[in-house]
Amino acid sequence: SQQGEEDPQALSIQEGENATMNCSYKTSINNLQWYRQNSGRGLVHLILIRSNEREKHSGRLRVTLDTSKKSSSLLITASRAADTASYFCATLETSGSRLTFGEGTQLTVNP
Amino acid sequence: KAGVTQTPRYLIKTRGQQVTLSCSPISGHRSVSWYQQTPGQGLQFLFEYFSETQRNKGNFPGRFSGRQFSNSRSEMNVSTLELGDSALYLCASGLSGVPDTQYFGPGTRLTVL
Repeated sequence: SQQGEEDPQALSIQEGENATMNCSYKTSINNLQWYRQNSGRGLVHLILIRSNEREKHSGRLRVTLDTSKKSSSLLITASRAADTASYFCATLETSGSRLTFGEGTQLTVNP
Repeated sequence: KAGVTQTPRYLIKTRGQQVTLSCSPISGHRSVSWYQQTPGQGLQFLFEYFSETQRNKGNFPGRFSGRQFSNSRSEMNVSTLELGDSALYLCASGLSGVPDTQYFGPGTRLTVL
């Protein structure tokens, strides 16, 4: 079963705009990770945030984590057409040793 | 370092046949995990191997099996294929036993006719 639920399921924006994707989960976690997948290909790791962290940055990416609300958000600033992809959050539960993925957000950045 | 490689990239089989997929992790990685991705069910965890031992298994029938060799390369096997097994099968490798960052391969696209 999917631990994470992502919102929105699909997002369409113009180049240069910011894109925000949200992820909610159900159990206590060790860390939360975001991945990107271009159509029909493997996943690419973007960023990992641990349960004791609240915010993390990597280039144009900013991730926040609110463990009290069991939610995370991924912000992509100044989006580019090349950012068009599906974005997945994945959680590592404190009791587990495997990642559980959400259903993903399909981001389309129009040139 | 070379990334995770998966072979074959595409495969077409018929119902009832069996299939073996291969995954070579990044050099030095000892953990290999397998996932099935379908439009309806999303990404689902199949199993994880670490140092030739299966450490974790998802909720898949016994037709799905795997193994890991001493060089960390892994294979997964699906016997008695069903139409619903059509999917993208992704393999991911990691450094340590607890999967922090997972490095994914390009996947094997399996079509069952």
